[in-house]
Amino acid sequence: DAMVIQNPRYQVTQFGKPVTLSCSQTLNHNVMYWYQQKSSQAPKLLFHYYDKDFNNEADTPDNFQSRRPNTSFCFLDIRSPGLGDAAMYLCATSRDGSAAGVDTQYFGPGTRLTVL
Amino acid sequence: LAKTTQPISMDSYEGQEVNITCSHNNIATNDYITWYQQFPSQGPRFIIQGYKTKVTNEVASLFIPADRKSSTLSLPRVSLSDTAVYYCLAGGGADGLTFGKGTHLIIQP
Repeated sequence: DAMVIQNPRYQVTQFGKPVTLSCSQTLNHNVMYWYQQKSSQAPKLLFHYYDKDFNNEADTPDNFQSRRPNTSFCFLDIRSPGLGDAAMYLCATSRDGSAAGVDTQYFGPGTRLTVL
Repeated sequence: LAKTTQPISMDSYEGQEVNITCSHNNIATNDYITWYQQFPSQGPRFIIQGYKTKVTNEVASLFIPADRKSSTLSLPRVSLSDTAVYYCLAGGGADGLTFGKGTHLIIQP
């Protein structure tokens, strides 16, 4: 089945130790997104790729970076995780991200990051 | 992307119909209204989308009045497994989705 896959589902890292979360999709969608969701809060967009074009949200900390080596894969790199970065990280895709909200986003199951 | 307002939480019982209303007073002319459902420790899942009047699928119905300043998600005959957070969004495109606080729906036996 076509889907959005995130690995690992659970990730534990130490304070300040770089960590990479991965996302892959079999939907062949042009747009891939990374959201951060903290406990009892709504998902918050960090950045997205429209094809190879990277788009960062204005309030996304520099500590967060992303790579998209090809259509299928996208990575979230946290260079120096702090305790406040503990959250669920959600990857999503959409076909072409058309305006007005017509284009449905498909979310992966998320990676829960714990920072010790 | 229009700001949306919806109840923080709602309770209901199995077998009942549940209606969750969302206001989006500043919705743009071209914006669609979309609802997502999120279970604990899972990503949000698309439920239904509409532009005006009524849309129905196998899961829910969406009612949108003529002025489009609000919308109502209707879940027929809910079960315990419908306990989740429901997000209403108005608009949004390639730049990503801006989620509001959502409605935490709790279904009791």
